[in-house]
Formats: sequence, C-alpha cells, structure tokens
Amino acid sequence: KAGVTQTPRYLIKTRGQQVTLSCSPISGHRSVSWYQQTPGQGLQFLFEYFSETQRNKGNFPGRFSGRQFSNSRSEMNVSTLELGDSALYLCASSLKADNYGYTFGSGTRLTVV
Amino acid sequence: GQSLEQPSEVTAVEGAIVQINCTYQTSGFYGLSWYQQHDGGAPTFLSYNALDGLEETGRFSSFLSRSDSYGYLLLQELQMKDSASYFCAVEDRDDKIIFGKGTRLHILP
Repeated sequence: KAGVTQTPRYLIKTRGQQVTLSCSPISGHRSVSWYQQTPGQGLQFLFEYFSETQRNKGNFPGRFSGRQFSNSRSEMNVSTLELGDSALYLCASSLKADNYGYTFGSGTRLTVV
Repeated sequence: GQSLEQPSEVTAVEGAIVQINCTYQTSGFYGLSWYQQHDGGAPTFLSYNALDGLEETGRFSSFLSRSDSYGYLLLQELQMKDSASYFCAVEDRDDKIIFGKGTRLHILP
C-alpha cells in the first residue's frame, strides 16, 4: 500500500512569505499529525487532526495553522515566515490517534532565506 | 511541563549490545514507543509498550517501567545499518504524542 506522501519535498521561501505544505495519509488512516524537526530539538508537535477536526495543538504561534479534508488529506500553512521556521516538517498518519504504529512521510524541507 | 530525556549520543561496537534509556514526565501516560530515523529519512516505528515489561521484536527489545517513568530500547547484534537516531515517544492524556530529542547511535566496526 502507498505510504504517507508529503509535497513538496523541498521548498525555499523568503522571510515574510507564506507557505502551504500537503500530506496525504495512508488510505484508511483518519489521524494526521504534524511535527517540526530541527537539529538538537527533535520532533516538536504542531497539531493533530482526526476526521477533519483539530484534536490537539502544540505550543507554536498562530502563524502555524492546518486543516484536514474529508478524504483525510491534510495541509499546514505557515504565514509571515521567519528564518527560525527553517526545518523539516513531518506528517504522520495512523488509523486512530494512539501511540501505536505512526507512519511518517519523508517530510518537507523548508528553508527560509 | 512535559519532558522526555534520552542521551544525545551513544557509541557501540558492531556485534555488541547497546541500551538507549528514556525517562519521561508527562501529563498522563498511555504508552511508550520507539522510532528509528536514518539521516535524510523518515522516522519509522520500532516498538510500543503500554504495560510494564519487555517486548521483543527480533534484535530489538523495549522495556517499560511505569512506576519509574522509565523505559529503554535494547539493540542486540549491532549492525552498521543500525547507525541512526532513535526517538522515544509518549502519548499523554490529551492524546498528543510527545517525542524526545533523540539519541544518535554511532557504531564502530
């Protein structure tokens, strides 16, 4: 079966711009979570969606937002980009929102210049 | 606050055994899982412990002690391909999955 697909794989933006990242979960998976990964900080939780509803949100500013569509595909948006937003953004899907068997996508590498 | 502590780096020799520890402090606890991530790759799920004790999956085993808020990942018969970062993760009472900062495993030939 197809894995978790994230697009684009790489992105370069300038400060002040906004960006939208996309995640297509494994077919049948209804839970999608987003993480920001930077060197030395590990994976930091952004938010989690289940059946189009945001169930949880991490400690990130309001510039970070997301949504989930009826087909479980999810997007996250970052507005007014800052240099510190440069990171690998990972999406993970699971059948339900539990700790067992998260499947991650390969991520989107965002560079803000 | 919520936190997971694991060593930043561990070095071991090919063929040997290595243990990566994880202690956690979270608001609620439902289970501890472990993920492996090679450079440039996506994290991949390794194991999950909801109850105390040892879970074995091939060369990898994972242990949990809920009373000590502690767990570890044990890798046996180390191979060069095991060189990667290993993350422990906890599901808290809000169903959020919180990850540790990762342990970089270096394997010497």
